[in-house]
Amino acid sequence: DTGVSQNPRHKITKRGQNVTFRCDPISEHNRLYWYRQTLGQGPEFLTYFQNEAQLEKSRLLSDRFSAERPKGSFSTLEIQRTEQGDSAMYLCASSSRQGSGGYTFGSGTRLTVV
Amino acid sequence: AQSVTQPDIHITVSEGASLELRCNYSYGATPYLFWYVQSPGQGLQLLLKYFSGDTLVQGIKGFEAEFKRSQSSFNLRKPSVHWSDAAEYFCALANTGNQFYFGTGTSLTVIP
Repeated sequence: DTGVSQNPRHKITKRGQNVTFRCDPISEHNRLYWYRQTLGQGPEFLTYFQNEAQLEKSRLLSDRFSAERPKGSFSTLEIQRTEQGDSAMYLCASSSRQGSGGYTFGSGTRLTVV
Repeated sequence: AQSVTQPDIHITVSEGASLELRCNYSYGATPYLFWYVQSPGQGLQLLLKYFSGDTLVQGIKGFEAEFKRSQSSFNLRKPSVHWSDAAEYFCALANTGNQFYFGTGTSLTVIP
């Protein structure tokens, strides 16, 4: 088990373009989370999946953001019509237990919108 | 509402000196508390966690943290800092739901 894997590591895109990130969680973890981290801040919750069901979404997740987790395995986070304010590190995490278990984080995808 | 405050944005210590990073939380019940470390451009690595029981918890890399309910604090300590400890440290709180609430982080610089 190589932990939580995120691809790509870095993405530079022009404003208005769509981007998609992928997260492969630890195989036995049924819970998957997306967080966003901007410079100088701690990670902020975006959304949560239990298996294939998206159970929680933050108000930070505007209509331009969509996340999926088909078959309860890997997950994708898509941002449509990117804006400069979307520039951030997007972190994926997985866990096998609620709350108390702690998360295992991936290395993140750094998005730069120019 | 739950929140986490890390009062120190940046701390500089000499290698071999002791370290304490402060964390205060706001939550109506006993929270689950965590400390994570993040190296530049990397994800977050779990250092230690507190759920209940012994208020002094041991973590990896020689770190420990003490939960003090009366002070709503969960400070991270290390008796002797190594140059490799230079990183960003985040305190986090988990409620009974599925969200973690992170502090804004403390950046640690270690000088020779």
